[in-house]
Amino acid sequence: KNQVEQSPQSLIILEGKNCTLQCNYTVSPFSNLRWYKQDTGRGPVSLTIMTFSENTKSNGRYTATLDADTKQSSLHITASQLSDSASYICVVTSTSGTYKYIFGTGTRLKVLA
Amino acid sequence: DAGVIQSPRHEVTEMGQEVTLRCKPISGHDYLFWYRQTMMRGLELLIYFNNNVPIDDSGMPEDRFSAKMPNASFSTLKIQPSEPRDSAVYFCASSLATGTSPTAAFGPGTRLTVL
Repeated sequence: KNQVEQSPQSLIILEGKNCTLQCNYTVSPFSNLRWYKQDTGRGPVSLTIMTFSENTKSNGRYTATLDADTKQSSLHITASQLSDSASYICVVTSTSGTYKYIFGTGTRLKVLA
Repeated sequence: DAGVIQSPRHEVTEMGQEVTLRCKPISGHDYLFWYRQTMMRGLELLIYFNNNVPIDDSGMPEDRFSAKMPNASFSTLKIQPSEPRDSAVYFCASSLATGTSPTAAFGPGTRLTVL
């Protein structure tokens, strides 16, 4: 069964600290993995997208990694800011005729001053 | 670029009523997606279109839900009759291509409450 599991479910950190969010998936065949940031009351915004051959990709203070062998991805946030408070959603795309999008339930991050 | 436009932003209706949600994708985008988000189930893909043609509607929960895309600049998601369990935020998104395209853009969502 295609599944995407994210951990932790929620996380609270102090401003300026780093954190890492995890995404484990059992999706086949795999096409790509995206990380989205969703601010409260808004639609998700794409942060990074990685295909099978990519191990890491950065977008400012956000760095995503992908281990296709272990089917794990992480999103590392460096020097967190209050504006990083949001939900972070991992989405894996599968291709088998048509595209299938399997969503994680997200990690809620709260950055405190 | 106005981004993906959705209307209404909020909808409150009574059980049994028909609800129509509207979406205008970004001009030039050839894929359009409808999502539903709840606290319990997170974000779920309901249906997506490519060049106005429905490609995958396996996420549509039941026959009460229907979606149309009569042209490249407009899509609707209709619920008839609505039920309280349909209460959720419904997002529309558009992109130039699926797969590796990073250009998927989400609209602001329609918050639906069915009493």
